[in-house]
Amino acid sequence: AQKITQTQPGMFVQEKEAVTLDCTYDTSDQSYGLFWYKQPSSGEMIFLIYQGSYDEQNATEGRYSLNFQKARKSANLVISASQLGDSAMYFCAMRVRSNAGNNRKLIWGLGTSLAVNP
Amino acid sequence: DGGITQSPKYLFRKEGQNVTLSCEQNLNHDAMYWYRQDPGQGLRLIYYSQIVNDFQKGDIAEGYSVSREKKESFPLTVTSAQKNPTAFYLCASSILPGRITSTDTQYFGPGTRLTVL
Repeated sequence: AQKITQTQPGMFVQEKEAVTLDCTYDTSDQSYGLFWYKQPSSGEMIFLIYQGSYDEQNATEGRYSLNFQKARKSANLVISASQLGDSAMYFCAMRVRSNAGNNRKLIWGLGTSLAVNP
Repeated sequence: DGGITQSPKYLFRKEGQNVTLSCEQNLNHDAMYWYRQDPGQGLRLIYYSQIVNDFQKGDIAEGYSVSREKKESFPLTVTSAQKNPTAFYLCASSILPGRITSTDTQYFGPGTRLTVL
């Protein structure tokens, strides 16, 4: 079964510290993509970072990095130097092939709520 | 500014009414998507469209309908057949999946919160 698991319903971090949000995935596809999105209280889903299954290097985007461990099927998001504005829900998602054609779909986790303390 | 707009931000519906949620994008994206988000759950795909005048059902299409008459627009109608429509609805778009240079990253609008009275 294709599935995304985020085991941390809520996390706290002190401002300026680093935090790791966990994401494990399950798929039999050889080619897949992993995404992290941020959803602040306003509701908009903001794309943060992407990792392809064949990418050999971990993806980085500013203060965000993705710790991709293919053998463990994990794609953890690391946020360095946390800021108050980082307080939000964070979702991990996986792009898989949805049928025999070229159609693809995103499988979503349930999210992790991050609170940054001043 | 390129982006995705959704309107209205808040929508109230009486039972038995159909309502239409608007989604417009000026990113020149081929593919568009509609998701539903309920509290404590991840996003669930309602419908998606990869090209004008064509669309496919997602995982929870029952009680919903869509149209794709223009590349920029992908409105969602919540019909009276949808028994529990109160939710947050998100529209997204992406470059056509399958293009070699595409990571299929989906970009989202600000959402519409629908409440049934």
